[in-house]
Amino acid sequence: KAGVTQTPRYLIKTRGQQVTLSCSPISGHRSVSWYQQTPGQGLQFLFEYFSETQRNKGNFPGRFSGRQFSNSRSEMNVSTLELGDSALYLCASSFTGPSLGSYNEQFFGPGTRLTVL
Amino acid sequence: DQQVKQNSPSLSVQEGRISILNCDYTNSMFDYFLWYKKYPAEGPTFLISISSIKDKNEDGRFTVFLNKSAKHLSLHIVPSQPGDSAVYFCAAIAPLNSGYALNFGKGTSLLVTP
Repeated sequence: KAGVTQTPRYLIKTRGQQVTLSCSPISGHRSVSWYQQTPGQGLQFLFEYFSETQRNKGNFPGRFSGRQFSNSRSEMNVSTLELGDSALYLCASSFTGPSLGSYNEQFFGPGTRLTVL
Repeated sequence: DQQVKQNSPSLSVQEGRISILNCDYTNSMFDYFLWYKKYPAEGPTFLISISSIKDKNEDGRFTVFLNKSAKHLSLHIVPSQPGDSAVYFCAAIAPLNSGYALNFGKGTSLLVTP
């Protein structure tokens, strides 16, 4: 069974540009979550998509957006890039996503390393 | 505001000894906790979890202990092996807006030396 794939793996952009990252979940998984990992803040939740709908959103500015397609593939977009957006962006897929009282395992991709100059 | 805290950024342990990684949380609504392991250039992988109705869960060399009154959990690795060298993240399933999300700590980098 193929794992979660993310493209591109590495990206260098300059301030003010925009970027689109892609995530292909494990076949059959309908939930895709995005996380930002930085040395100072650890892993922070960006948003979750389920069946093409954004189901939940973390505390990030509106420059961060995403979408999910009918085949469950997801993209996230960051507009007007800032130096502080340099991070590892991880996506994770699962059948149904997190829920209270149980755990539906999330499988992470290898991430996209974004560097903003 | 960090609701899941891993106060030790790094830990070094000799091979064969016990590794103890600690995690504290602030929100009493958290009811399911997880540990993830992450190697460089890879995504985190699920290691072990525990529900708040339990105080211990064991899986091979890995045991997670939960102390709800202290809002504290710990991961014990016995015996530690060099291949266990990785960053370990503690996480909790937390209510967020109208749903739930994984709330991660900042991670502890474990180094197991031969």
